[in-house]
Amino acid sequence: SYEVTQPLSVSVALGQTARITCGGNNVGSKNVHWYQQKPGQAPMVVIYSDRNRPSGIPERFSGSNSGNTATLTISRAQAGDEADFYCQVWDSNTAVFGGGTTLTVL
Amino acid sequence: EVQLLESGGGLVQPGGSLRLSCAASGFSFSSYAMSWVRQAPGKGLEWVSVFNGNGGSTYYADSVKGRFTISRDNSKNTLYLQMNSLRAEDTAVYYCARRESSGYFYFDYWGQGTLVTVSS
Repeated sequence: SYEVTQPLSVSVALGQTARITCGGNNVGSKNVHWYQQKPGQAPMVVIYSDRNRPSGIPERFSGSNSGNTATLTISRAQAGDEADFYCQVWDSNTAVFGGGTTLTVL
Repeated sequence: EVQLLESGGGLVQPGGSLRLSCAASGFSFSSYAMSWVRQAPGKGLEWVSVFNGNGGSTYYADSVKGRFTISRDNSKNTLYLQMNSLRAEDTAVYYCARRESSGYFYFDYWGQGTLVTVSS
């Protein structure tokens, strides 16, 4: 079965750029979606289909996907961005989530 | 406004059964694929199952195949998850989620979840 791999944690200084990766075999051929989950809340999509932002998501959130790695980039990180982030793809009618990355803003 | 409201969670003994419900409102329920996604305490998201819209096909994660059954009643705008032969490792918050329908297939709306605890 298909798997996607994320780092357990990423730290970023306030105002700097954070990058969270999502690795998988030829993941560049798939549509990658990114979700943000804050404590006690349901997940919320922040990037869909590699690089698209839903309405209401700040332009500071962006995405890319090529080869074996998709990347979520958060520019000008704010304290309110601290959360768990999950990438997700579909493979043969099965949704696959990455293990999640905890973003800490220092 | 799209709303998804899960119910039916609770404490159940290993080997027992439970049926979760997800009441949907604010959109044409029958036109959308709906999924269940769970999250064990302190762990990540795990996809459980999907029920496609008008097509009616269903798919399951290997971890629940043969034990869980997803169903829907479009006349009641409700999604269900029948969970049998429950195990301790099924303990989790269960979310229902709508799958976006214009071709991108991300989960665009989520409920707040219902907690299932499997313990003796």
